[in-house]
Amino acid sequence: NAGVTQTPKFRILKIGQSMTLQCTQDMNHNYMYWYRQDPGMGLKLIYYSVGAGITDKGEVPNGYNVSRSTTEDFPLRLELAAPSQTSVYFCASSPPRQGSADTQYFGPGTRLTVL
Amino acid sequence: DQQVKQNSPSLSVQEGRISILNCDYTNSMFDYFLWYKKYPAEGPTFLISISSIKDKNEDGRFTVFLNKSAKHLSLHIVPSQPGDSAVYFCAAPGTYKYIFGTGTRLKVLA
Repeated sequence: NAGVTQTPKFRILKIGQSMTLQCTQDMNHNYMYWYRQDPGMGLKLIYYSVGAGITDKGEVPNGYNVSRSTTEDFPLRLELAAPSQTSVYFCASSPPRQGSADTQYFGPGTRLTVL
Repeated sequence: DQQVKQNSPSLSVQEGRISILNCDYTNSMFDYFLWYKKYPAEGPTFLISISSIKDKNEDGRFTVFLNKSAKHLSLHIVPSQPGDSAVYFCAAPGTYKYIFGTGTRLKVLA
């Protein structure tokens, strides 16, 4: 299993450009998440999905959109990039909660800089 | 409104000594807690968890203690090794979402 994969690893955008961060998992997990981590800060949830066709906003959704057409893929879209979106973005997945054994599995991250 | 707090942004410990990382929470309904470890340029990886019905869980050099009355948990690493140098996050699960603390950067000095 590759686990959670993210592309690209790095990207520099100009203000106003758009891009899609790709995320794929091969563990057949229902739940998928997008987080951002700013320097010195914890992980903040942008969007999450509990299954194909179902998405919901997290703590910091403004400026982002997501879709979940398949169980495996959960792309994150930035329509009009702004410097405030400079961050490291992590995608994660998890199985449905069944007790204390459940954890999230994270991808390696995408480092995005908006200039 | 930070439901999970890690008040120490960094910690330095000598190799071979004990590392203690702390986490406080506000919601007494959390039914379990997790610790994640993150190396630079990598995603967080799961380290250890504890159910709210327990007060201790041990896995090798890592032990997590839960004090429900104080709404406090701590991660003990004994003995600390240079490879333990990383950022450690505590987390608690909501209905669908996980709530993460801001992390503590541990540096183990050789």
